[in-house]
Amino acid sequence: DTAVSQTPKYLVTQMGNDKSIKCEQNLGHDTMYWYKQDSKKFLKIMFSYNNKELIINETVPNRFSPKSPDKAHLNLHINSLELGDSAVYFCASSQDAGLAADTQYFGPGTRLTVL
Amino acid sequence: DQQVKQNSPSLSVQEGRISILNCDYTNSMFDYFLWYKKYPAEGPTFLISISSIKDKNEDGRFTVFLNKSAKHLSLHIVPSQPGDSAVYFCAASGSGAGSYQLTFGKGTKLSVIP
Repeated sequence: DTAVSQTPKYLVTQMGNDKSIKCEQNLGHDTMYWYKQDSKKFLKIMFSYNNKELIINETVPNRFSPKSPDKAHLNLHINSLELGDSAVYFCASSQDAGLAADTQYFGPGTRLTVL
Repeated sequence: DQQVKQNSPSLSVQEGRISILNCDYTNSMFDYFLWYKKYPAEGPTFLISISSIKDKNEDGRFTVFLNKSAKHLSLHIVPSQPGDSAVYFCAASGSGAGSYQLTFGKGTKLSVIP
């Protein structure tokens, strides 16, 4: 029974398209995150979302938008996809964002390829 | 700017020996450090953590050492096993409200040779 799941696992699309990646956690956690792992292998935070508070990394283009229908889901919408968006995107969750000590649990990742 | 650095992209160790993975950080506001392990086609999984009030934390075969003055931490795996072969990420965060975001290093690929 997967704690943090993402769909799809692989996504291949053309430049200019709009796509979404879904994330669900069944851990009852309060905070969810999206990370991007680029070709240089750095894992960089994109967003964190807690109790309807959204913290955005200022380097993330506004073509990226997280959508949270409920506490267990944080989906990532990407508009007007660009070649540079090709990366592996990881969703994660933690119990309480107010505590730095909270362990984050990661999903398996979605490999996005933009052609 | 890389606030968390893992300068060794890869490390090979014989089974049964000690593996030592190193991590340096530059941000003096970091006071909580974590190691994550990642297998191919999977997400990172939490391994062990250490708070800045400690200099050592041990969990089975895994020990993390923190040298705050040098802004350096290391992960020791003893004895190393083939199943430990994975990419290990060092991560750091501050404390207090809003500082829970993790900053990751680039990872070190550990290969344990049977």
